[in-house]
Amino acid sequence: NAGVMQNPRHLVRRRGQEARLRCSPMKGHSHVYWYRQLPEEGLKFMVYLQKENIIDESGMPKERFSAEFPKEGPSILRIQQVVRGDSAAYFCASSPTVTEAFFGQGTRLTVV
Amino acid sequence: SQQGEEDPQALSIQEGENATMNCSYKTSINNLQWYRQNSGRGLVHLILIRSNEREKHSGRLRVTLDTSKKSSSLLITASRAADTASYFCATHLTGTASKLTFGTGTRLQVTL
Repeated sequence: NAGVMQNPRHLVRRRGQEARLRCSPMKGHSHVYWYRQLPEEGLKFMVYLQKENIIDESGMPKERFSAEFPKEGPSILRIQQVVRGDSAAYFCASSPTVTEAFFGQGTRLTVV
Repeated sequence: SQQGEEDPQALSIQEGENATMNCSYKTSINNLQWYRQNSGRGLVHLILIRSNEREKHSGRLRVTLDTSKKSSSLLITASRAADTASYFCATHLTGTASKLTFGTGTRLQVTL
């Protein structure tokens, strides 16, 4: 059973471009979470999704950020018109229930 | 906003010594979890302790939880160089449908 798979591992975007981060949860997991980690800080919750539903997006910035978890395929975190402040590590986690979460290796986004 | 606070922020010990990290939080929780993060990598789940538990063990790890003081501690016994990493506590708050709130972490350095 492969772990949570995130791709790409590293992503470089120029200011104003779009960033798409992908997350494939562990097999059998229907809960997906996205977190953001700035350098030297802990993880900050962004959004919690189940298949085709956003359950909690209280940590998502109001503009430019969106997330989806379609019936088929990976979960996508989309950042439009990226700015330097979006540079961070973005982690996806999945869980079979609402307790223990398993994390991917993260996508490190650099905006230049 | 609710956030766990780890103490100390950084800890340097020699191999074979014990390492103790503390975490405090502010509101009622369902459970508290400890994670390890090696530099530039994803998070590895170490241990989960529920709000009605006081102590749990897993190998060289011992976690305590004091809900009256809203605090937890992680003890790593007989530390090894491979234990060098950042350690985060994360709380699953009551009524928050599973999102985790992370602290800022303790950076542990184990030297030979």
